[in-house]
Amino acid sequence: GENVEQHPSTLSVQEGDSAVIKCTYSDSASNYFPWYKQELGKGPQLIIDIRSNVGEKKDQRIAVTLNKTAKHFSLHITETQPEDSAVYFCAASIAGYQKVTFGIGTKLQVIP
Amino acid sequence: DAGITQSPRHKVTETGTPVTLRCHQTENHRYMYWYRQDPGHGLRLIHYSYGVKDTDKGEVSDGYSVSRSKTEDFLLTLESATSSQTSVYFCAVSKGMDRGGNQPQHFGDGTRLSIL
Repeated sequence: GENVEQHPSTLSVQEGDSAVIKCTYSDSASNYFPWYKQELGKGPQLIIDIRSNVGEKKDQRIAVTLNKTAKHFSLHITETQPEDSAVYFCAASIAGYQKVTFGIGTKLQVIP
Repeated sequence: DAGITQSPRHKVTETGTPVTLRCHQTENHRYMYWYRQDPGHGLRLIHYSYGVKDTDKGEVSDGYSVSRSKTEDFLLTLESATSSQTSVYFCAVSKGMDRGGNQPQHFGDGTRLSIL
């Protein structure tokens, strides 16, 4: 089955700096890659997603990149703010299959 | 907001007792999922449903059963709770797939279950 690895497990950045979280996947048939943000005491919330027919997608301060050849994808957060502090999960799924494999999560701390 | 309500939000119970967690959705999504979240393991799929009375196992299904008698409700049952089932349980829903491809899952806010 699909395996998703996520790095780093923890990340501390100064407010205003950029943060990058990287994930790799094992199944070349995966073609949908969502990212979730989980705040304390809450469920994961979708923040951005990318499909395999594009290499990059942006939404304000958040961007995702996808390298299908290398089977890795990354989340980039620019101009980080304290409210960006949370746990971030990457995930991968195969078209037509409704199960999603999640990475282990990255705890991001933005230091004011 | 995908209109997902999980109940109860917190529960403490004893080993060997049965426990049922409820997930209720208001958006009429076809797919519903139960995950558990534990430190160092991320989110792991327990069971999922692809329609009323249609369910299948996930990667950590041992000790759990599910039922879906209505589109809006998905129940997770621990027949005889064990301490290893202490965890935070999340329900998720999804429309499944459309012309754009796989659609994302949306999560409830979880149930924190402690088994003593």
